Amino acid sequence: DIQMTQSPSSLSASVGDRVTITCRASQSISTYLNWYQQKPGKAPKLLIYAASTLHGGVPSNFSGSGSGTDFSLTISSLQPEDFATYYCQQNFGTPLTFGQGTKLEIK
Amino acid sequence: EVQLLQSGGGLVQPGGSLRLSCAASGFTFRHFAMSWVRQAPGKGLEWVSEISPNGETTYDADSVKGRFTISRDNSNNTLYLQMNSLRADDTAVYYCAKDVSTWPDYFDFWGQGTLVTVSS
Repeated sequence: DIQMTQSPSSLSASVGDRVTITCRASQSISTYLNWYQQKPGKAPKLLIYAASTLHGGVPSNFSGSGSGTDFSLTISSLQPEDFATYYCQQNFGTPLTFGQGTKLEIK
Repeated sequence: EVQLLQSGGGLVQPGGSLRLSCAASGFTFRHFAMSWVRQAPGKGLEWVSEISPNGETTYDADSVKGRFTISRDNSNNTLYLQMNSLRADDTAVYYCAKDVSTWPDYFDFWGQGTLVTVSS
């Protein structure tokens, strides 16, 4: 199975900050990497697919990059509604696997 | 508008069975693969099972293989998860999710989630 490791596991930041979350795959997955946002008590929402393509309706302050084994999700200017937990997920092979999550909290 | 409305779930004793349902609307259900993803309390996301659009091919995580069965009824736009021989570590919120394609890929819409608690 492909293991996905996110860092950091948690992060404190302020509104307006620029933050970056990283995701590393245990083997090369090309750009078969997706990002989700989850708020407490809610289902995950797709943010980015294929490493860098924004899903419809996702604000442009979100961006993704990377290929191979190393990926990142950047929020250029944090908004109050961006405080949530973020997960990466690989779709290079089955089983589909997720990172353990990064909880973004208000400082 | 795509909607995935889940039902089922609840409290069940270890070794018991439960069936989850997910009623889909707002898209052509029979054209897309569908999955179940679970989240244990305070934990991350775990892909459980996926089924092809015509229901002929399924994929199961090792943790549920032989105990859980995913199925679908394309005439009624409904996805199911039959869970047997339930264990305490199956306790989780279970989400149904629409895949973007016909193959295990990624998920553009999710159900609201339903809690399954396995406890005596």
